[in-house]
Amino acid sequence: DAKTTQPNSMESNEEEPVHLPCNHSTISGTDYIHWYRQLPSQGPEYVIHGLTSNVNNRMASLAIAEDRKSSTLILHRATLRDAAVYYCILRDWGGSEKLVFGKGTKLTVNP
Amino acid sequence: KAGVTQTPRYLIKTRGQQVTLSCSPISGHRSVSWYQQTPGQGLQFLFEYFSETQRNKGNFPGRFSGRQFSNSRSEMNVSTLELGDSALYLCASSLRDTEAFFGQGTRLTVV
Repeated sequence: DAKTTQPNSMESNEEEPVHLPCNHSTISGTDYIHWYRQLPSQGPEYVIHGLTSNVNNRMASLAIAEDRKSSTLILHRATLRDAAVYYCILRDWGGSEKLVFGKGTKLTVNP
Repeated sequence: KAGVTQTPRYLIKTRGQQVTLSCSPISGHRSVSWYQQTPGQGLQFLFEYFSETQRNKGNFPGRFSGRQFSNSRSEMNVSTLELGDSALYLCASSLRDTEAFFGQGTRLTVV
C-alpha cells in the first residue's frame, strides 16, 4: 500500500483558509488521492478525491501537484465544525474498497 | 436516505467471551468494510465484503471473522476476546469504486 505523510497537527483561526498538506512520493499512476475526516466521536466522513486535476466540491478543494507526489486539501473558510482529524489516503480505483489510514492531521480551529 | 447503521453502539464483554457486531449498509450498497480503531494503532482495515464474498482481509488473527448476507447486511465476530480487542469497530459501505460511508461504530470494551 502506497504511503502518505501528513503533519501531526495544524491550527487555524475561524473563517480563515486552511491548507492541509500531504506527501505521497510513491504514488502510482492508478492511485486516486482521497481525503476523509473524522470528527470527535464519529466515524470518518468522505471529503473529496482526485486523480490529476484540481477538484472542488461544497466542502473543500483539492490541489494536486503536477508530478502528483503531493497534494493539499483546502478549506476555504474554516469553522469550528471543521475541527477534526484529516486523513489523506491513496486508493487504487477499480481494486479493493480498502482504505489504508495513516495517523492524519489533527486540525484545531480557534474561535 | 438512511446512513450506515451499526448495532449495538456500546458493548462490554469479559475476556474469553465472543462477540458479534452488526452493520446495515446504505440501501443499494453491496460493498461493506470493517475497521478497528484504537488509540495506539489508529484505524486498521479488518475485512471487505462484496456480494457475500470476502474480497480482502487485513492483518488480524483468525479470531476475527465476518460474513455478509444476501441483503448486504454484514456481521463481524470476535472469538476468545482479549483485553487488546477493546476498540471502536467501524463499518463502511459503498457502491463499487465510490466514496465510503461510515457508521458511528460499536465501542467494545473487554474487561
